[in-house]
Amino acid sequence: SQQGEEDPQALSIQEGENATMNCSYKTSINNLQWYRQNSGRGLVHLILIRSNEREKHSGRLRVTLDTSKKSSSLLITASRAADTASYFCATDAGQAGTALIFGKGTTLSVSS
Amino acid sequence: DAGVIQSPRHEVTEMGQEVTLRCKPISGHDYLFWYRQTMMRGLELLIYFNNNVPIDDSGMPEDRFSAKMPNASFSTLKIQPSEPRDSAVYFCASRARGDQPQHFGDGTRLSIL
Repeated sequence: SQQGEEDPQALSIQEGENATMNCSYKTSINNLQWYRQNSGRGLVHLILIRSNEREKHSGRLRVTLDTSKKSSSLLITASRAADTASYFCATDAGQAGTALIFGKGTTLSVSS
Repeated sequence: DAGVIQSPRHEVTEMGQEVTLRCKPISGHDYLFWYRQTMMRGLELLIYFNNNVPIDDSGMPEDRFSAKMPNASFSTLKIQPSEPRDSAVYFCASRARGDQPQHFGDGTRLSIL
């Protein structure tokens, strides 16, 4: 069963616009991670935010975490066509060393 | 760093045949995971190992599925006998420690006719 659920399921924007994806989860966590998957490829890690952090940045990516609401958001600023991919959040269900459980993802399409 | 290597990349076989998927994790990684991805069910965890020992196999669909990790550099996922509903993309991933990111291979696209 999915621990995290992303919203929206699909998102279409123009190059240069910002893209925001949301993730909700059910149990307590040690950390929450975001991954990207290009068509026909494996998932690639983007960013990890720990349960005691509220915001984290990496290049054009900004991730927020609200543990009281059990939710996270991923913001991609100034999007590019190369950002077209599926984005997944993943959590560890509160136990270090356990496997990550992934949501079903948000499919982002960026058109030029 | 060669990354996680999976083979084969594509497998097409007939129902009832045995299928073996292979994975070489990143050297030095203690954890290895097998996932299955379908449109309907998303990315499902099948089983994972820590230091070559299976820790949680509750995601393995049924007895037709088995996984082994005979050493730190190799794992197999076997389906016997295979069925059309097993068609999916199977991913292997490895991780250095409990709080580190997972690194994925490019998957095996399995089609059972």
